[in-house]
Amino acid sequence: DIQLTQSPSTLSASVGDRVTITCRASQSITQWLAWYQQKPGKAPKLLIYKASGLESGVPSRFSGSGSGTEFTLTISSLQPDDYATYYCQQYNSLGLTFGGGTKVEI
Amino acid sequence: EEQLLESGGGLVQPGGSLRLSCAASGFTFKNYAMNWVRQAPGKGLEWVSVISFNVGRTHYAEAVKGRFTISRDNSKNTLYLQMNGLRGDDTGVYYCAKSWDTAMDDALDVWGQGTMVTVSS
Repeated sequence: DIQLTQSPSTLSASVGDRVTITCRASQSITQWLAWYQQKPGKAPKLLIYKASGLESGVPSRFSGSGSGTEFTLTISSLQPDDYATYYCQQYNSLGLTFGGGTKVEI
Repeated sequence: EEQLLESGGGLVQPGGSLRLSCAASGFTFKNYAMNWVRQAPGKGLEWVSVISFNVGRTHYAEAVKGRFTISRDNSKNTLYLQMNGLRGDDTGVYYCAKSWDTAMDDALDVWGQGTMVTVSS
């Protein structure tokens, strides 16, 4: 299975900050990467698909980039509603895998 | 509105069995691959299994292969997960999730609220 490594595991930031989360794959996954946001006690929510595609209804302050083995999720100006845990997920091959998560806290 | 609603979770003894269900609404269920994803308490997300839109193919994580069986009834818009030989490390919230398209390897764009499975004596 393809392994995904997210960094950092925890991130402290303030409202208005630019936040960047990195996801590295153990082998090339071309552009088959998604990002999710999860709040405590809630199901994950799809933010980004195909590395940089913004899911319908997701604010434009979220953006994704990268290809091959290195990807980033950027929040251009952190809002109070953005405090959550973020996961990357590869779908280059069967046996979907998730990164370990990045908790964004105050 | 696209919705998924899981049911069937609960407390079960090690070695026991449980069957989870996931009722879909608001989209054409038969057109999409469907998945189960779980999350142990305080831990990250772990993909469990996927079934193709036409019921022809299935795939499992190594941790559950041979113990869990995914199935679906397109006439009832319902996804299932039969879990046998349950172990303590199967404890967690189980989510059903819709694939973004027909592909079995895909992003997951609709998620249920989850159902809790606790394996303990």
